[in-house]
Amino acid sequence: DAGITQSPRHKVTETGTPVTLRCHQTENHRYMYWYRQDPGHGLRLIHYSYGVKDTDKGEVSDGYSVSRSKTEDFLLTLESATSSQTSVYFCASGLGSYNEQFFGPGTRLTVL
Amino acid sequence: EDQVTQSPEALRLQEGESSSLNCSYTVSGLRGLFWYRQDPGKGPEFLFTLYSAGEEKEKERLKATLTKKESFLHITAPKPEDSATYLCALGVNFGNEKLTFGTGTRLTIIP
Repeated sequence: DAGITQSPRHKVTETGTPVTLRCHQTENHRYMYWYRQDPGHGLRLIHYSYGVKDTDKGEVSDGYSVSRSKTEDFLLTLESATSSQTSVYFCASGLGSYNEQFFGPGTRLTVL
Repeated sequence: EDQVTQSPEALRLQEGESSSLNCSYTVSGLRGLFWYRQDPGKGPEFLFTLYSAGEEKEKERLKATLTKKESFLHITAPKPEDSATYLCALGVNFGNEKLTFGTGTRLTIIP
């Protein structure tokens, strides 16, 4: 199995506070992705990275920012959390759209 | 616009009762079609990649097939441990490296 970890695994926060989620992979994959998963919507791409310091927006990027300073780490930041950002967040890594992505265990975020 | 639709949304089968899950798609340039299994509270787990129409892949009780418009995940003589949500995803030839996911089929196998 690809080595992808996420931290924290669970977080409860209040509206308006900043939140950072961390993803770490040990596969030396070039591409990394952040998704959110909500009932009825499936997995939706927030942001992705195609190399160190190279990132691009996904379909639901408003209110989120990302950073990738090392190949193995990809951070997702909610600058000012809102209740609509309550969700399960998954990180994934891979070698591009010809190849499968490998997913982390997820972070359950609750914004009160 | 690339689209992927999975059906049915949910499926309940008796143990040993074979069936198929459908993933239909419209895409301008398909790089690959991917099947994943997701258990409650966990991240999706990769199952198969299919690249061209006519291709088939098998793993234990699962077989994935691909045509130019859809993919099927056939489940033969399922067991309760096959209960999960099955997701399909498209890799498309748009110059980016993203996957587009369907909303999944929730499969329940009743002992």
